[in-house]
Amino acid sequence: AQTVTQSQPEMSVQEAETVTLSCTYDTSESNYYLFWYKQPPSRQMILVIRQEAYKQQNATENRFSVNFQKAAKSFSLKISDSQLGDTAMYFCAFMKLSGGSQGNLIFGKGTKLSVKP
Amino acid sequence: GAVVSQHPSRVICKSGTSVKIECRSLDFQATTMFWYRQFPKKSLMLMATSNEGSKATYEQGVEKDKFLINHASLTLSTLTVTSAHPEDSSFYICSARDLRGPADTQYFGPGTRLTVL
Repeated sequence: AQTVTQSQPEMSVQEAETVTLSCTYDTSESNYYLFWYKQPPSRQMILVIRQEAYKQQNATENRFSVNFQKAAKSFSLKISDSQLGDTAMYFCAFMKLSGGSQGNLIFGKGTKLSVKP
Repeated sequence: GAVVSQHPSRVICKSGTSVKIECRSLDFQATTMFWYRQFPKKSLMLMATSNEGSKATYEQGVEKDKFLINHASLTLSTLTVTSAHPEDSSFYICSARDLRGPADTQYFGPGTRLTVL
């Protein structure tokens, strides 16, 4: 079975600074996707960034980038130039692409990020 | 990105009654939708996968007779909590898989807060 671990329950960062959220996962699959979702106080889940496991290049979306280390099964999220609106729960998620439960998201427990002015 | 709606956003009901929650994909067709439950300050737990035109697939430990799922069309899935009890109080979130995107991505509804008195 796949598991996703986020070892930082809470983090804080000063506005305009950079912060990195950690995520590790365990799987025997070779083909999968990884995601970071953001859940602000409104509780709407918002896709931040996705990474296909077969791609070596790290995904980037504006101020958000990932450090994908497939061999180490690590998938960290870096937020640059942090903004107050980045304050939210961040969930790392894994999706397998074949076999039973394919297409299902498995979430980590989340990291609560607070951006301080 | 794709838009998913949920209705109602919050509902309060008496113990023993049934409650129906709707999940709609507004600008795309979704053959597969997912239902999650989220307890306060916790991660999302997958309850079931809703497939258009066939029976839902329930995760281990989820009572299918209590949580009835109907995927009536390519844009609508409903979750009915039957004979609700206070322990069913939770935040229920649906998502829909949009196959048009570059990755097999789920887009989430805004959630429904259920309170059973």
